[in-house]
Formats: sequence, C-alpha cells, structure tokens
Amino acid sequence: GAGVSQSPSNKVTEKGKDVELRCDPISGHTALYWYRQSLGQGLEFLIYFQGNSAPDKSGLPSDRFSAERTGGSVSTLTIQRTQQEDSAVYLCASSLAVSGNTIYFGEGSWLTVV
Amino acid sequence: QQQVKQSPQSLIVQKGGISIINCAYENTAFDYFPWYQQFPGKGPALLIAIRPDVSEKKEGRFTISFNKSAKQFSLHIMDSQPGDSATYFCAAGTASGTYKYIFGTGTRLKVLA
Repeated sequence: GAGVSQSPSNKVTEKGKDVELRCDPISGHTALYWYRQSLGQGLEFLIYFQGNSAPDKSGLPSDRFSAERTGGSVSTLTIQRTQQEDSAVYLCASSLAVSGNTIYFGEGSWLTVV
Repeated sequence: QQQVKQSPQSLIVQKGGISIINCAYENTAFDYFPWYQQFPGKGPALLIAIRPDVSEKKEGRFTISFNKSAKQFSLHIMDSQPGDSATYFCAAGTASGTYKYIFGTGTRLKVLA
C-alpha cells in the first residue's frame, strides 16, 4: 500500500479483555516497529521486527504484551488482560532496513481500556 | 547512553516569528537525525533530516542546524504559521541499517494568528 495501515483506528475495551492491533507496513519494507504514545507524551519504543524475527523486544512493558509478524509483512500486537494504564495510541512504523533510514508511521490505533 | 533530550516542552510563537527547538544526544555512534511533525490524531511524519557531514540543511521554511562537537541539533521554523502548530519530535539513529530510533520527548508548538 501507499502508507502504513493500522487497524482498528479506535478500540474501546473492558479491563481484562484481550486486544489485537494490526499493522500493514509499506510494501517492500523489511523493518517494522511498534511504538506507544500515551496522552501528550513522547514515543515509547515497544518492539522491532526485521523480517519475521524480533531482534529487540526490550520495550515491551510486561508479559501481557506480545507481537508477531508473518510473511515479512503484516504484524499483530496483542495485549492480554488489558489494564487501564494500557490506554494509549499504538503506532506502527516501517522502513527499508538495509538502505533506507526513514521511518514511516501509520496513524495509530487509539486504545481505551475502561 | 541512548537518550535524546529535547527542549522546550512547549512553545508559543507569534505568526511570522521564528520557532526554535533544540535536541541533544549522547551516543557518538548516531549519524542520522530526523525531525518528525505530528498533528493531533495523526501519526508522526518525517519533516526533515540531517547527517553529521553537514552543519545545516534547509528545506523551505525549515532548517536543521547541527553541531557535532556539542552533540546538539536544532530545528528552526522561519516565518512560523498557524498551520505549523503541531508536536515536533527529534530523533537520532544510525545510518547503517539501524534497528531503533531514539526519540526526544516532543515539543508542542502553537503559532498564534
């Protein structure tokens, strides 16, 4: 696609439920990133994929968070047993890992845990 | 050290004025410094970027100044317009297939009409 696509754009869920957030990167981009942005805050790195592998998972806040990427393309970020502090915008980005440096962001998935 | 320090946290500028946002980094391995612009409800979008082999890069009203010895870089927005009101993030990374950018904490710019 022309840009990074994320879905859903908005999600309201009850505390304790699991949620899945999807990211479809720019075609041909081998690197994929997940960031979290809490209200009025900066960008918090969560996880990075190179192809289907995740060399850096250091930013995942707890074991309730997991992510996978299949076919070197679509990625899913899963949050289990959601808590209110998980409410944030989850941003996905992609880049040409080898020869390019620019990270292109999607518009984010706005998650509200009630 | 991986931190990128950004200031100010917020900035109010009159229309036509100059907006200046500063960032400082610690890791001398960084060699790629982009700035991102984020409007409410949107994802960050690349605005302009610089590599340390130049001290300044200009694109339209936006200029990055880079001071390698001080490990500092700044964004200057000339003739600031109300449409420039957004949050700006600086970042630092490595040009050789980096895996993770380090972002500053952001500056909320408001340009008064």
